[in-house]
Amino acid sequence: DTGVSQDPRHKITKRGQNVTFRCDPISEHNRLYWYRQTLGQGPEFLTYFQNEAQLEKSRLLSDRFSAERPKGSFSTLEIQRTEQGDSAMYLCASSFSSAHNTIYFGEGSWLTVV
Amino acid sequence: KNQVEQSPQSLIILEGKNCTLQCNYTVSPFSNLRWYKQDTGRGPVSLTIMTFSENTKSNGRYTATLDADTKQSSLHITASQLSDSASYICVVSEYSNSGYALNFGKGTSLLVTP
Repeated sequence: DTGVSQDPRHKITKRGQNVTFRCDPISEHNRLYWYRQTLGQGPEFLTYFQNEAQLEKSRLLSDRFSAERPKGSFSTLEIQRTEQGDSAMYLCASSFSSAHNTIYFGEGSWLTVV
Repeated sequence: KNQVEQSPQSLIILEGKNCTLQCNYTVSPFSNLRWYKQDTGRGPVSLTIMTFSENTKSNGRYTATLDADTKQSSLHITASQLSDSASYICVVSEYSNSGYALNFGKGTSLLVTP
């Protein structure tokens, strides 16, 4: 078990470009979450999947954001037409579906939009 | 309004000293409360998770308490070490239509100095 893996760890992009982040959860975890975190703040919920189904999306997830989890394994988070306000750390986490299971976070993907 | 409030916002202590971090919440219906440690630039790491019926839980030098009646929790760190310097995040889980939702505090930034 190698933990939750995220790629890339850092990404610098020009405003208006599209970026995609990948998350590989702990194997056999059926829940996968995406959060966004800015400096000095706690993580903010973006969306989560139960297997391949996207069960909930935050209002923070504008039309420019899309997430997928094909086949219920890895997930991708795409941001289209990036804006400077998108600069943040994007965290992926995974867990079993029981409410009291530990949720394991990846190391995050830092996005800087210039 | 954030349903999870943490105090203090930041704290500086000498190595070897003890400290206590506070978490007050208004989340309802309550499912569980978690404490995470987040090193700068890294993903959060789980320390403890407590359900409604648990008053205290320890993980090494970390001891978390929960008073579900007053909706308060604390994280006590004993004999602090330099490596304890990090942000400590309180996370309260609530039951929701889609299962459960996590509510994050903004964290307490702890600095342990020699």
